[in-house]
Amino acid sequence: RKEVEQDPGPFNVPEGATVAFNCTYSNSASQSFFWYRQDCRKEPKLLMSVYSSGNEDGRFTAQLNRASQYISLLIRDSKLSDSATYLCVVRGNDYKLSFGAGTTVTVRA
Amino acid sequence: SAVISQKPSRDICQRGTSLTIQCQVDSQVTMMFWYRQQPGQSLTLIATANQGSEATYESGFVIDKFPISRPNLTFSTLTVSNMSPEDSSIYLCSVGSGTEQFFGPGTRLTVL
Repeated sequence: RKEVEQDPGPFNVPEGATVAFNCTYSNSASQSFFWYRQDCRKEPKLLMSVYSSGNEDGRFTAQLNRASQYISLLIRDSKLSDSATYLCVVRGNDYKLSFGAGTTVTVRA
Repeated sequence: SAVISQKPSRDICQRGTSLTIQCQVDSQVTMMFWYRQQPGQSLTLIATANQGSEATYESGFVIDKFPISRPNLTFSTLTVSNMSPEDSSIYLCSVGSGTEQFFGPGTRLTVL
């Protein structure tokens, strides 16, 4: 079983739409949670950390459900520039990160 | 933040040869990480490179295949030895602590 699992998508949405997707993690001792964004043929970059109480950063909202061991990301008012692969990342009780395979989002005009 | 550069950015190699990838960071860091990202897959940690000690390898990765050097706090190399087509992948150097991990631009390796 993979440590972090994501729906690979692709999610193909029109501009202005809302898109949401989840990831699940297997290690209940996981300490920290993140969403990274990876553009085609580029390195991953931090989009946002995910806090227990849920958090927003502009049009992006992240939620964490520790009981069910899943993390979600919601993108409101999608822009063309939001097209990317979104990686769910989990840090265990050591310093190591576990990555999901990514959810691909394509926003069309 | 950290700015990371890698060389080469890409290479095409023959099976049985070796390639050394260089990673340079613009600040001193204690730990540097090497990841592999195969097509359509997630990033997999190969090893953690600590300055002044042997690298720590993850399950499935061994020093003979992926020797690592860490001569100082801003530089590391990863060698992919005796390459086979299965080693075709993107190799990324990374540094980070606390809340954010930074990645180099990656080295895209194709083994024929």
